[in-house]
Amino acid sequence: QSVLTQPPSASGTPGQRVTISCSGSSSNIRSNTVNWYQQLPGTAPKLLIYSNNQRPSGVPDRFSGSKSGTSASLAIRGLQSEDEADYYCAAWDDSQNGVVFGGGTKLTVL
Amino acid sequence: QVQLQQWGAGLLKPSETLSLTCAVYGGSFSGYYWSWIRQPPGKGLEWIGEITHSGSTNYNPSLRSRVTISVDTSKSQFSLKLTSVTAADTAVYYCARGEGGYYGSGSYYYYMDVWGKGTTVTVSS
Repeated sequence: QSVLTQPPSASGTPGQRVTISCSGSSSNIRSNTVNWYQQLPGTAPKLLIYSNNQRPSGVPDRFSGSKSGTSASLAIRGLQSEDEADYYCAAWDDSQNGVVFGGGTKLTVL
Repeated sequence: QVQLQQWGAGLLKPSETLSLTCAVYGGSFSGYYWSWIRQPPGKGLEWIGEITHSGSTNYNPSLRSRVTISVDTSKSQFSLKLTSVTAADTAVYYCARGEGGYYGSGSYYYYMDVWGKGTTVTVSS
């Protein structure tokens, strides 16, 4: 059971906009910033969004993040086939004094 | 460009000690948090713990009794030891660089921006 809650799956067709939610609590998402990681099949996770809504250099602006209260969301607009991957939210948890992850969302591009 | 190269034994028997090392190339070793994360087959990510260049550590409470993370600043390396392994410890283990700090609002930011390629560790008798 993950500390952060994500839907196990999401899907969309090319060109669509999809969102993935991440629900937490006052000790993690409400208090601290949220990050999103993309994991393509067979590869290491890659930082996609940090500090709620910041994109590292090289990440397309089709990806965006937001946070409100104890929840966060990742949005992908103009969905592409190469976006098919697992997506994980993460945040620092003050109670555990460590990083907590969501269970991951498998995004399928139909 | 910072790169992390990791290595260690890939096959262990139950009750043995898992030992992995991660070397940092192409960047500063100080000023960052150096983490270990694992991913069991077909499952999600689990943060194991972290260490700073000065040796300060934080561990996942669920693993704290079995985990030790150490650092060798002279070699820009950090290591993971996990004792008394069982089949439940079978996973891909990743090392990663973390950045963290406080915004003026009091929110703590912490993200892992550079990852190793991962080491598959299997525990089987």
